[in-house]
Amino acid sequence: RKEVEQDPGPFNVPEGATVAFNCTYSNSASQSFFWYRQDCRKEPKLLMSVYSSGNEDGRFTAQLNRASQYISLLIRDSKLSDSATYLCVVSNAGNNRKLIWGLGTSLAVNP
Amino acid sequence: DGGITQSPKYLFRKEGQNVTLSCEQNLNHDAMYWYRQDPGQGLRLIYYSQIVNDFQKGDIAEGYSVSREKKESFPLTVTSAQKNPTAFYLCASIAGTTGYTFGSGTRLTVV
Repeated sequence: RKEVEQDPGPFNVPEGATVAFNCTYSNSASQSFFWYRQDCRKEPKLLMSVYSSGNEDGRFTAQLNRASQYISLLIRDSKLSDSATYLCVVSNAGNNRKLIWGLGTSLAVNP
Repeated sequence: DGGITQSPKYLFRKEGQNVTLSCEQNLNHDAMYWYRQDPGQGLRLIYYSQIVNDFQKGDIAEGYSVSREKKESFPLTVTSAQKNPTAFYLCASIAGTTGYTFGSGTRLTVV
């Protein structure tokens, strides 16, 4: 089993749609969780950290379920500019802050 | 503006040649990382450094070397021992428990 698993997609949605991605992780001792966005041939950029209580940033909502070991990302009112690959990232316990990266979920928002 | 600068953006290496990728940050971050990204494989950790004059191997360190003589700089050398160096190389830094900040990457191609 991979340490971090994501559905690769692609997810094709119309503008204005709501889309949700899930990500599962295998290490129950994982400490920190993030969603990154990566555009084609560009570097990943931090979209949001994921907190135990859940957090929202505009149209984006992230949730963490420690019991089931998954995190989710919800995008409301999708825009064309949301088209990208969304990477789920988990930090293991310890001091090296090593991040474990999922392979990403591809989203295409269509006009 | 603070950030991470990677150079060059594109690099071509001949068989048997060593090449060095530059990574400079002015964020005053202690920890710096080198990742490699290949299509369909996600990001894989090559080396990381948490303080000056100290660094550790990541998951795929064979064929690579690094140095950390200054806080701002973490160059990566791809040696001739790396048999499949064609990839997208990403340098990142981190402070505290926030997510990584990435440079814009270097695309290395063997010719």
